[in-house]
Amino acid sequence: DAGVIQSPRHEVTEMGQEVTLRCKPISGHNSLFWYRQTMMRGLELLIYFNNNVPIDDSGMPEDRFSAKMPNASFSTLKIQPSEPRDSAVYFCASRPDTGELFFGEGSRLTVL
Amino acid sequence: QQQVKQSPQSLIVQKGGISIINCAYENTAFDYFPWYQQFPGKGPALLIAIRPDVSEKKEGRFTISFNKSAKQFSLHIMDSQPGDSATYFCAASMKAAGNKLTFGGGTRVLVKP
Repeated sequence: DAGVIQSPRHEVTEMGQEVTLRCKPISGHNSLFWYRQTMMRGLELLIYFNNNVPIDDSGMPEDRFSAKMPNASFSTLKIQPSEPRDSAVYFCASRPDTGELFFGEGSRLTVL
Repeated sequence: QQQVKQSPQSLIVQKGGISIINCAYENTAFDYFPWYQQFPGKGPALLIAIRPDVSEKKEGRFTISFNKSAKQFSLHIMDSQPGDSATYFCAASMKAAGNKLTFGGGTRVLVKP
């Protein structure tokens, strides 16, 4: 299996621009998570989906952030408009019903 | 509110030595305690995990010790090797909350040859 696939791996953008991060979970995994990692705040859960339905988005920082999962094999995390404080590594992870959480390699976002 | 506190933030150990990382949690409803290992430029990967019905779990050179009454658990890396140099995260989850993981702040371990 190819694992959790994230794109882009690196994104540099200017403040105010829209950023879209993409994730393809492992086939057969029915839960998908978006995490953000920074030096200051560590690994923070932003949102998670179960069977494509958002279950808990309490970690989403503010209305500038949105996430969708239109089908079992694809999810997006969108930031609009982006700000320098959004600079971080964003991880997507997936998990079967009961079992291990698998992380992708992350998308490193730099907002200038 | 930090539900899982991890210490130390960083650790330097000589090759062959023992690395010890500690975590404390607040919520007694947590029922699953994994440790993740992260190398630079990679995502975290599950290293070893324990449930509160056992006090210790060992896999190779890695051991989790769990103290339910103290609400603490720790990772011991025996015979540390340079390849163990990574950031380690403890985490906790509960079935009642959908098994979503709450992570500790991470410990950067450097094993010197």
